[in-house]
Amino acid sequence: DGGITQSPKYLFRKEGQNVTLSCEQNLNHDAMYWYRQDPGQGLRLIYYSQIVNDFQKGDIAEGYSVSREKKESFPLTVTSAQKNPTAFYLCASVGGYTGELFFGEGSRLTVL
Amino acid sequence: QKEVEQNSGPLSVPEGAIASLNCTYSDRGSQSFFWYRQYSGKSPELIMSIYSNGDKEDGRFTAQLNKASQYVSLLIRDSQPSDSATYLCAVNHDTGRRALTFGSGTRLQVQP
Repeated sequence: DGGITQSPKYLFRKEGQNVTLSCEQNLNHDAMYWYRQDPGQGLRLIYYSQIVNDFQKGDIAEGYSVSREKKESFPLTVTSAQKNPTAFYLCASVGGYTGELFFGEGSRLTVL
Repeated sequence: QKEVEQNSGPLSVPEGAIASLNCTYSDRGSQSFFWYRQYSGKSPELIMSIYSNGDKEDGRFTAQLNKASQYVSLLIRDSQPSDSATYLCAVNHDTGRRALTFGSGTRLQVQP
């Protein structure tokens, strides 16, 4: 079945460590996105990519980095520069022109 | 900053009643509007999209859009306890990056 796979689902990190969250899609979608969600809040855009080898900062990109070497993959690295990384991270993609986002199951990162 | 506003709730309705969820947005140029349902600890799932003024019905759900008032709503008829979730309103402010701006969500509780 087509979909978006995020891993790991749960991740614990010590302060000062970088971590990478994986996002893979087999929907043949061009555009991919990373959002962050904090408790009781909406989603905020971190980075997005509309084509391979190109990506743009979203509204809260500081302390994060991404790559888009393949159409199917859009990994997010949470660096030690991110001051408050504990959150629920959601990867999404858009295939057509309707703008409908489809989400993976999310990765919950906790900094100890 | 382009914004999407929702009442955080909780909105409590009895089983079988109509639940009415509301959302306002700041950018008059917005073109696409979406409602997502999010269960606790899960990722958002798309339940409705609407692109033109008026009503759009899908089963028990009706989305209403009024661009002049910058207002979009979601009606859920015959509410069920399984409808208890957070409902996120999302707006496509910027067709260039095709990313959605989300409200903080309204928590709906359907009482059996």
